[in-house]
Amino acid sequence: DAKTTQPNSMESNEEEPVHLPCNHSTISGTDYIHWYRQLPSQGPEYVIHGLTSNVNNRMASLAIAEDRKSSTLILHRATLRDAAVYYCIPTNSGNTPLVFGKGTRLSVIA
Amino acid sequence: EAQVTQNPRYLITVTGKKLTVTCSQNMNHEYMSWYRQDPGLGLRQIYYSMNVEVTDKGDVPEGYKVSRKEKRNFPLILESPSPNQTSLYFCASSFQIRARTDTQYFGPGTRLTVL
Repeated sequence: DAKTTQPNSMESNEEEPVHLPCNHSTISGTDYIHWYRQLPSQGPEYVIHGLTSNVNNRMASLAIAEDRKSSTLILHRATLRDAAVYYCIPTNSGNTPLVFGKGTRLSVIA
Repeated sequence: EAQVTQNPRYLITVTGKKLTVTCSQNMNHEYMSWYRQDPGLGLRQIYYSMNVEVTDKGDVPEGYKVSRKEKRNFPLILESPSPNQTSLYFCASSFQIRARTDTQYFGPGTRLTVL
């Protein structure tokens, strides 16, 4: 499994953009990069995924470095509801489960 | 609404008393799995199922059983619970795990306390 490194915690003001970094220097060429988040007292939920190109969806944007050794999840305007633990997960091919690391705990200040 | 449901959401039991946590999904997903989440250890997979009648061990299967008789249901069985199985349990499903772009959908969690 590709190892990931994320900051333990980050803080943002409400309605400000947030950039959540993830290093995954051992990622293989065919691994996708998935991001999930876990809101307090809830199960993890999918946020976004990508392979090489930057990706956008209604929740967030994902910027992937050209060498694919790092990526950044971008929340364009943080809200209080975005306070959660964010997990960056390279996915292996085959039948392997998602491997959740410790993630980044994002706090949003009103 | 597409969802994964788990029951019960909270359970307090005593050592040795068999229990079952149910998991059901309404998305016709082939793949289902169980995770447990413990402070400092993150989410760890217990068992998974690629399809009906196909189950396999995850990283921490000891003390647990599962069955997959129907596509939508994947119950987690603790035949003789012990205090070290006190944890937060999540069921998850996805269309199929072989596609690396598949999204996993998680249930709301079951908080189990074994006294």
